[in-house]
Amino acid sequence: GAGVSQTPSNKVTEKGKYVELRCDPISGHTALYWYRQSLGQGPEFLIYFQGTGAADDSGLPNDRFFAVRPEGSVSTLKIQRTERGDSAVYLCASSPVVVGRDYGYTFGSGTRLTVV
Amino acid sequence: GQNIDQPTEMTATEGAIVQINCTYQTSGFNGLFWYQQHAGEAPTFLSYNVLDGLEEKGRFSSFLSRSKGYSYLLLKELQMKDSASYLCAVRVNSGGYQKVTFGTGTKLQVIP
Repeated sequence: GAGVSQTPSNKVTEKGKYVELRCDPISGHTALYWYRQSLGQGPEFLIYFQGTGAADDSGLPNDRFFAVRPEGSVSTLKIQRTERGDSAVYLCASSPVVVGRDYGYTFGSGTRLTVV
Repeated sequence: GQNIDQPTEMTATEGAIVQINCTYQTSGFNGLFWYQQHAGEAPTFLSYNVLDGLEEKGRFSSFLSRSKGYSYLLLKELQMKDSASYLCAVRVNSGGYQKVTFGTGTKLQVIP
């Protein structure tokens, strides 16, 4: 596709349930990032993939959060035993290897997760 | 980690010029981005600086001083549609890879 696609756009789940959030990056982009954004805050880094491997997962808040990118394209963010504090907009971004003056990271529209 | 500071809110008048500052403290610096984010939407890329100096792109310009850990975004001829949050983001080299960290953003309100 032309842009970064995230599904679902909205997800409401009950506390304690498991959720999966999907990100389909721009074709050919090797770098993929997951961020979490709460109201009035900037995006908070979660995890960064370069190809299939997680190059940096230092932003994952705890072991309930896990992300995969098995074929170096689509990525799935998985949250186990969801808590109300997990409610936020989860953003995915992708980029080619080189970014520069006219090209940065492209974000998807995000998944708004609400844990009730 | 990285410390990125920006003003929380600013107000400016339509047609005027506004400068949004960003200061950062980090090691392994490898570039600074500015993004625009309208309420309820994803951030969109505005500019990228890695060397000292000014980058101009239409009504928007971005400046970087690496020695001072300082950047600003300059918006000229403000329009009502420029009301948005402006995010400063720093890229660093981290264990052989690159990591981008965002500030909390500056909410700009353009008034008639």
